[in-house]
Amino acid sequence: QVQLQESGPRLVKPSETLSLTCSVSGGSISNSNWWSWVRQSPEKRLEWIGDVSHGGTTYYNPSLKSRLTISLDRSRNQFSLKLGSVTAADTAVYFCARLLNGRHMENWFDSWGQGTQVTVSS
Amino acid sequence: DIQMTQSPSSLSASVGDRVTITCRASQTISNYLNWYQHKPGKAPTLLIYTASTLQSGVPSRFSGSGSGTDFTLTISNLQVEDFATYYCQQSYSSRTFGQGTRVEI
Repeated sequence: QVQLQESGPRLVKPSETLSLTCSVSGGSISNSNWWSWVRQSPEKRLEWIGDVSHGGTTYYNPSLKSRLTISLDRSRNQFSLKLGSVTAADTAVYFCARLLNGRHMENWFDSWGQGTQVTVSS
Repeated sequence: DIQMTQSPSSLSASVGDRVTITCRASQTISNYLNWYQHKPGKAPTLLIYTASTLQSGVPSRFSGSGSGTDFTLTISNLQVEDFATYYCQQSYSSRTFGQGTRVEI
């Protein structure tokens, strides 16, 4: 059973870069899966942020694409999120997740981390 | 973008009740629809994928149906541990979630 755990700063200043890491245990990120980030706003809305494949291919939410980088660190079995030029609107709980069948339209998030609260404030 | 609209936004129910949550897509999404359960402070869990397939380990009191634009999640014989927020999510084009349905006592 794969397990995921988010880590990173809980407070980020406006205009700076939000950086989070997801540590994966119980499976290798280099197998056939895709890996994703999702966030939950203070109003409890879920928003898909983006994915990275086991081979490093990325797929981003168009609304965030210009500020977003998702990448793999195979040596540490981790993947990461970098979101630049943050504002208060980026305040959310950030979840990492495993995306099954990422290459296909039939895909779903089958394992999630517990999430980490990130607040954007000066 | 495909918009997902759930109804109701919240509902009150009792143990043993049958609960139905609906999810409507702004355009047809075939059966590319998934359902998740989320409790505060916990990791969300996958309940149903491709509209009606029960995820391994999920109790059989959970069921999903629908195709095209209209989908339903049904919880029969509601249990205490089922009080949570439920989200639908489409994977037909990009990935978007419904706004959530809170099931409370």
